[in-house]
Amino acid sequence: DTAVSQTPKYLVTQMGNDKSIKCEQNLGHDTMYWYKQDSKKFLKIMFSYNNKELIINETVPNRFSPKSPDKAHLNLHINSLELGDSAVYFCASSQAGGGETQYFGPGTRLLVL
Amino acid sequence: GQQLNQSPQSMFIQEGEDVSMNCTSSSIFNTWLWYKQDPGEGPVLLIALYKAGELTSNGRLTAQFGITRKDSFLNISASIPSDVGIYFCAGIIQGAQKLVFGQGTRLTINP
Repeated sequence: DTAVSQTPKYLVTQMGNDKSIKCEQNLGHDTMYWYKQDSKKFLKIMFSYNNKELIINETVPNRFSPKSPDKAHLNLHINSLELGDSAVYFCASSQAGGGETQYFGPGTRLLVL
Repeated sequence: GQQLNQSPQSMFIQEGEDVSMNCTSSSIFNTWLWYKQDPGEGPVLLIALYKAGELTSNGRLTAQFGITRKDSFLNISASIPSDVGIYFCAGIIQGAQKLVFGQGTRLTINP
């Protein structure tokens, strides 16, 4: 049973396109997150949602719009993709917000050409 | 900006050797976590530490939450080939609601 799952695993697209990444967790957690991992493997938080409400927005361009239809899902939509958006995007979840251990999905490898 | 300094950035060791890596910060942390990331996968939690001075083991792995609450170390004893990967420390700063990550330690093992 996959605890935190993401789709797609790989995404190759042209600059200027709009794309979405989906995340689902079956752990019953209240909080979900999106992270970006750059080519140097540095992990940085982008957003967190607690029970469908936005908690953290880390100065991410407004081309990135998260959406949480319910507390088990957190999707990430990206408009007008740019070359610099190429990275691995990880979804994570935790029992509650903030000080809790986070569990990560397998990642979505986005390549913008 | 970067709030956690993880070292070393990379390690090249022989199978069977012990490994030690650490993270330091100028901030006080409430929680320290150690993750391992295999190629093509997401970070997997190895050890979680919640109290200053706490020493916790998970098989051949041992981690400690520093007394000052500003540092943590991870030791791996008798390394084996499957220990290869990138190890990340992560912590939650006192009063903050987010996890900050170290830069990672890339471990390579020569058989």
